[in-house]
Amino acid sequence: DTGVSQNPRHKITKRGQNVTFRCDPISEHNRLYWYRQTLGQGPEFLTYFQNEAQLEKSRLLSDRFSAERPKGSFSTLEIQRTEQGDSAMYLCASSFDRLAAVRDEQYFGPGTRLTVT
Amino acid sequence: AQSVTQLGSHVSVSEGALVLLRCNYSSSVPPYLFWYVQYPNQGLQLLLKYTSAATLVKGINGFEAEFKKSETSFHLTKPSAHMSDAAEYFCAVNFGSNYKLTFGKGTLLTVNP
Repeated sequence: DTGVSQNPRHKITKRGQNVTFRCDPISEHNRLYWYRQTLGQGPEFLTYFQNEAQLEKSRLLSDRFSAERPKGSFSTLEIQRTEQGDSAMYLCASSFDRLAAVRDEQYFGPGTRLTVT
Repeated sequence: AQSVTQLGSHVSVSEGALVLLRCNYSSSVPPYLFWYVQYPNQGLQLLLKYTSAATLVKGINGFEAEFKKSETSFHLTKPSAHMSDAAEYFCAVNFGSNYKLTFGKGTLLTVNP
Protein backbone atom coordinates (compact mmCIF):
# COMPACT_ATOMS: atom_id res chain seq x y z
CA ASP A 1 0.00 0.00 0.00
CA THR A 2 1.80 3.08 -1.25
CA GLY A 3 -0.92 5.58 -0.43
CA VAL A 4 -2.63 8.10 -2.67
CA SER A 5 -0.28 9.80 -5.13
CA GLN A 6 -0.80 12.98 -7.11
CA ASN A 7 1.10 14.47 -10.00
CA PRO A 8 2.41 17.01 -10.52
CA ARG A 9 3.00 18.34 -7.02
CA HIS A 10 3.29 21.89 -8.30
CA LYS A 11 2.02 23.55 -11.45
CA ILE A 12 2.52 27.13 -12.55
CA THR A 13 0.53 28.21 -15.57
CA LYS A 14 -0.51 31.37 -17.31
CA ARG A 15 -4.08 32.55 -17.28
CA GLY A 16 -6.06 31.03 -20.10
CA GLN A 17 -4.04 27.83 -20.34
CA ASN A 18 -5.45 24.37 -19.70
CA VAL A 19 -4.05 22.16 -16.96
CA THR A 20 -4.55 18.51 -16.04
CA PHE A 21 -3.80 16.80 -12.74
CA ARG A 22 -3.57 13.11 -12.07
CA CYS A 23 -4.50 11.11 -8.98
CA ASP A 24 -3.65 7.47 -8.31
CA PRO A 25 -5.74 6.12 -5.42
CA ILE A 26 -4.90 3.29 -3.06
CA SER A 27 -5.22 0.22 -5.26
CA GLU A 28 -8.20 -1.51 -3.64
CA HIS A 29 -10.21 1.68 -3.10
CA ASN A 30 -13.30 2.05 -5.25
CA ARG A 31 -14.18 5.61 -4.29
CA LEU A 32 -12.18 8.64 -5.34
CA TYR A 33 -12.76 12.26 -4.34
CA TRP A 34 -11.44 15.65 -5.44
CA TYR A 35 -11.27 18.63 -3.10
CA ARG A 36 -9.97 22.17 -3.50
CA GLN A 37 -8.21 24.00 -0.69
CA THR A 38 -7.54 27.74 -0.81
CA LEU A 39 -5.28 29.62 1.57
CA GLY A 40 -6.62 29.73 5.10
CA GLN A 41 -9.57 27.47 4.37
CA GLY A 42 -10.43 23.85 4.80
CA PRO A 43 -10.78 21.61 1.76
CA GLU A 44 -13.98 22.01 -0.25
CA PHE A 45 -15.59 19.08 -2.00
CA LEU A 46 -15.54 19.12 -5.79
CA THR A 47 -16.62 15.71 -7.02
CA TYR A 48 -16.42 11.98 -6.40
CA PHE A 49 -16.42 8.69 -8.26
CA GLN A 50 -17.71 5.25 -7.38
CA ASN A 51 -15.52 3.10 -9.61
CA GLU A 52 -15.71 4.85 -13.00
CA ALA A 53 -19.06 6.57 -12.39
CA GLN A 54 -19.03 10.22 -11.39
CA LEU A 55 -21.83 10.43 -8.83
CA GLU A 56 -21.79 14.00 -7.61
CA LYS A 57 -20.36 17.33 -8.57
CA SER A 58 -20.27 20.41 -6.42
CA ARG A 59 -21.59 23.70 -7.67
CA LEU A 60 -17.99 24.88 -7.30
CA LEU A 61 -17.23 23.05 -10.49
CA SER A 62 -17.94 25.37 -13.39
CA ASP A 63 -18.07 24.12 -16.95
CA ARG A 64 -14.31 24.77 -17.13
CA PHE A 65 -13.70 21.88 -14.77
CA SER A 66 -13.98 18.25 -15.76
CA ALA A 67 -12.94 15.04 -14.08
CA GLU A 68 -12.66 11.49 -15.34
CA ARG A 69 -11.86 8.12 -13.91
CA PRO A 70 -11.54 5.72 -16.81
CA LYS A 71 -11.72 2.05 -15.86
CA GLY A 72 -12.20 2.99 -12.23
CA SER A 73 -8.49 3.35 -11.52
CA PHE A 74 -6.62 6.68 -11.69
CA SER A 75 -8.44 9.96 -12.13
CA THR A 76 -7.69 13.21 -13.91
CA LEU A 77 -8.96 16.68 -13.14
CA GLU A 78 -8.78 19.18 -15.99
CA ILE A 79 -9.24 22.92 -15.76
CA GLN A 80 -9.71 24.74 -19.04
CA ARG A 81 -9.02 28.44 -19.59
CA THR A 82 -7.53 28.85 -16.13
CA GLU A 83 -8.22 31.99 -14.12
CA GLN A 84 -6.26 33.48 -11.25
CA GLY A 85 -9.06 32.43 -8.91
CA ASP A 86 -8.27 28.81 -9.71
CA SER A 87 -5.00 29.09 -7.79
CA ALA A 88 -5.32 26.59 -4.96
CA MET A 89 -4.24 23.20 -3.68
CA TYR A 90 -6.14 20.38 -5.37
CA LEU A 91 -6.43 17.34 -3.14
CA CYS A 92 -7.40 13.83 -4.10
CA ALA A 93 -8.67 11.25 -1.63
CA SER A 94 -9.80 7.66 -1.85
CA SER A 95 -11.77 5.23 0.27
CA PHE A 96 -13.15 1.72 0.16
CA ASP A 97 -16.93 1.64 0.16
CA ARG A 98 -17.95 -1.17 2.46
CA LEU A 99 -21.64 -1.69 1.90
CA ALA A 100 -22.21 2.04 1.47
CA ALA A 101 -20.88 2.81 4.93
CA VAL A 102 -20.51 6.55 5.19
CA ARG A 103 -18.14 6.21 8.11
CA ASP A 104 -15.26 4.91 6.03
CA GLU A 105 -12.37 7.31 6.26
CA GLN A 106 -10.89 9.04 3.26
CA TYR A 107 -7.16 8.87 2.65
CA PHE A 108 -5.65 11.97 1.12
CA GLY A 109 -2.81 12.47 -1.31
CA PRO A 110 -0.18 15.22 -0.97
CA GLY A 111 -2.04 17.53 -3.34
CA THR A 112 -1.19 19.53 -6.45
CA ARG A 113 -0.54 23.20 -5.87
CA LEU A 114 -1.71 25.28 -8.83
CA THR A 115 -0.54 28.83 -9.35
CA VAL A 116 -2.14 30.82 -12.17
CA THR A 117 -0.18 33.92 -13.15
CA ALA B 1 -28.29 24.08 7.84
CA GLN B 2 -25.43 21.62 8.16
CA SER B 3 -22.12 23.22 9.09
CA VAL B 4 -18.81 22.78 10.88
CA THR B 5 -17.20 25.44 13.03
CA GLN B 6 -13.71 25.42 14.47
CA LEU B 7 -13.32 28.01 17.18
CA GLY B 8 -9.94 29.67 17.09
CA SER B 9 -7.96 29.85 13.87
CA HIS B 10 -4.71 29.82 15.85
CA VAL B 11 -3.89 28.12 19.15
CA SER B 12 -0.52 28.47 20.83
CA VAL B 13 0.64 26.22 23.70
CA SER B 14 3.86 25.49 25.50
CA GLU B 15 5.57 22.14 25.10
CA GLY B 16 4.11 19.76 27.67
CA ALA B 17 0.86 21.71 28.07
CA LEU B 18 -2.64 20.50 27.32
CA VAL B 19 -3.84 20.85 23.74
CA LEU B 20 -7.53 21.63 23.21
CA LEU B 21 -8.87 22.29 19.71
CA ARG B 22 -12.56 22.98 19.41
CA CYS B 23 -15.05 21.76 16.84
CA ASN B 24 -18.80 22.26 16.79
CA TYR B 25 -21.24 21.11 14.17
CA SER B 26 -24.81 21.68 13.15
CA SER B 27 -26.67 18.71 11.73
CA SER B 28 -30.20 17.39 11.36
CA VAL B 29 -28.94 13.81 11.05
CA PRO B 30 -26.46 11.78 13.09
CA PRO B 31 -23.03 12.90 11.87
CA TYR B 32 -19.82 11.01 11.37
CA LEU B 33 -16.91 13.12 12.63
CA PHE B 34 -13.23 13.14 11.80
CA TRP B 35 -10.09 15.03 12.76
CA TYR B 36 -7.30 15.40 10.22
CA VAL B 37 -3.84 16.95 10.58
CA GLN B 38 -1.98 18.74 7.81
CA TYR B 39 1.75 19.48 7.93
CA PRO B 40 3.14 22.20 5.64
CA ASN B 41 2.94 21.35 1.94
CA GLN B 42 1.46 17.93 2.65
CA GLY B 43 -1.91 16.27 2.36
CA LEU B 44 -4.22 15.47 5.23
CA GLN B 45 -3.60 12.61 7.64
CA LEU B 46 -6.43 11.06 9.61
CA LEU B 47 -6.02 11.42 13.39
CA LEU B 48 -9.25 9.80 14.53
CA LYS B 49 -12.91 9.29 13.70
CA TYR B 50 -16.25 9.00 15.49
CA THR B 51 -18.70 6.52 14.02
CA SER B 52 -21.25 6.13 16.86
CA ALA B 53 -19.52 3.20 18.56
CA ALA B 54 -17.99 5.06 21.52
CA THR B 55 -18.18 8.71 22.45
CA LEU B 56 -14.52 8.92 23.51
CA VAL B 57 -12.31 8.19 20.56
CA LYS B 58 -8.58 7.60 20.73
CA GLY B 59 -6.40 8.37 17.76
CA ILE B 60 -2.80 8.43 16.72
CA ASN B 61 0.02 10.42 18.33
CA GLY B 62 -1.75 10.55 21.70
CA PHE B 63 -4.76 12.55 20.53
CA GLU B 64 -8.32 11.84 21.55
CA ALA B 65 -11.71 13.43 21.02
CA GLU B 66 -15.05 13.22 22.78
CA PHE B 67 -18.38 13.35 20.98
CA LYS B 68 -20.95 15.31 23.00
CA LYS B 69 -24.31 15.22 21.31
CA SER B 70 -25.94 17.66 23.74
CA GLU B 71 -23.26 20.23 22.97
CA THR B 72 -22.91 19.28 19.27
CA SER B 73 -19.17 19.21 19.82
CA PHE B 74 -16.21 17.01 18.97
CA HIS B 75 -13.22 18.69 20.59
CA LEU B 76 -9.70 17.33 20.09
CA THR B 77 -7.34 17.03 23.05
CA LYS B 78 -3.86 15.85 23.92
CA PRO B 79 -2.58 15.88 27.51
CA SER B 80 0.96 16.99 26.71
CA ALA B 81 1.98 18.88 23.58
CA HIS B 82 5.11 17.97 21.69
CA MET B 83 7.00 20.17 19.26
CA SER B 84 6.15 17.74 16.47
CA ASP B 85 2.43 18.44 16.99
CA ALA B 86 2.79 21.86 15.37
CA ALA B 87 0.56 21.70 12.31
CA GLU B 88 -2.89 22.66 11.07
CA TYR B 89 -5.82 20.61 12.32
CA PHE B 90 -9.13 20.17 10.53
CA CYS B 91 -12.41 18.91 11.85
CA ALA B 92 -14.51 17.23 9.16
CA VAL B 93 -18.05 15.93 9.13
CA ASN B 94 -19.91 13.48 6.96
CA PHE B 95 -23.56 14.36 7.25
CA GLY B 96 -24.56 10.92 6.11
CA SER B 97 -26.20 11.66 2.81
CA ASN B 98 -23.64 11.59 0.07
CA TYR B 99 -20.23 10.66 1.42
CA LYS B 100 -18.50 14.00 0.96
CA LEU B 101 -16.67 15.55 3.89
CA THR B 102 -17.42 19.08 5.02
CA PHE B 103 -14.39 20.65 6.66
CA GLY B 104 -13.98 23.41 9.18
CA LYS B 105 -11.62 26.26 8.38
CA GLY B 106 -8.83 24.71 10.39
CA THR B 107 -6.86 25.59 13.52
CA LEU B 108 -3.14 26.24 13.34
CA LEU B 109 -1.40 24.80 16.40
CA THR B 110 1.89 26.36 17.47
CA VAL B 111 3.98 24.67 20.15
CA ASN B 112 6.48 26.85 21.98
CA PRO B 113 9.59 25.41 23.62
